[in-house]
Amino acid sequence: AQSVTQLGSHVSVSEGALVLLRCNYSSSVPPYLFWYVQYPNQGLQLLLKYTSAATLVIGINGFEAEFKKSETSFHLTKPSAHMSDAAEYFCAVSVHRSNDYKLSFGAGTTVTVRA
Amino acid sequence: GAGVSQSPSNKVTEKGKDVELRCDPISGHTALYWYRQSLGQGLEFLIYFQGNSAPDKSGLPSDRFSAERTGGSVSTLTIQRTQQEDSAVYLCASSSTRTGGDTQYFGPGTRLTVL
Repeated sequence: AQSVTQLGSHVSVSEGALVLLRCNYSSSVPPYLFWYVQYPNQGLQLLLKYTSAATLVIGINGFEAEFKKSETSFHLTKPSAHMSDAAEYFCAVSVHRSNDYKLSFGAGTTVTVRA
Repeated sequence: GAGVSQSPSNKVTEKGKDVELRCDPISGHTALYWYRQSLGQGLEFLIYFQGNSAPDKSGLPSDRFSAERTGGSVSTLTIQRTQQEDSAVYLCASSSTRTGGDTQYFGPGTRLTVL
């Protein structure tokens, strides 16, 4: 079975500061890893994904994440936070089999951005 | 084009009543997933449909939950004899195997409240 653990349920950053959201995964086979963002009363939007290609993944809205197999981590970063980054962020893992990509999610991290 | 749509956006029901939640996936997407997002359990996989194959029902929490997908498109999630613990946001997602299948596009969700 695969799972992810997100460290920190809440992160508060100043506008312009680095955003760092931590995610560690557990999987018995090479995983696919994802970061999704959820704005209030909306569905999930994909920020970026790792699917066994380049270990540094560039996503939308200035976010990036690095897959580190030795640390079983897939942390999400953004160099400079913007007020619009305030949202809930979910790390997820899937073990792809026969086109089945069902996701196992972390508990989520809520990001607040201080002016 | 249009994204994943879900209806109703909000549903309030009384304990013991049956409810039906609808999902319209992106046109041409062969894979459809249902997830549940609740305060206590976070985001959980419920059921997965892929084309004409038998669905993966491994995430359904009880036999009160069922889902069908008609004509390989629209899906309905039915909860019989609703309980207060069924209160949650039910999210639907779809993906296309033509583009790898690993990216799921989520709808805005249906917020279910059981009184």
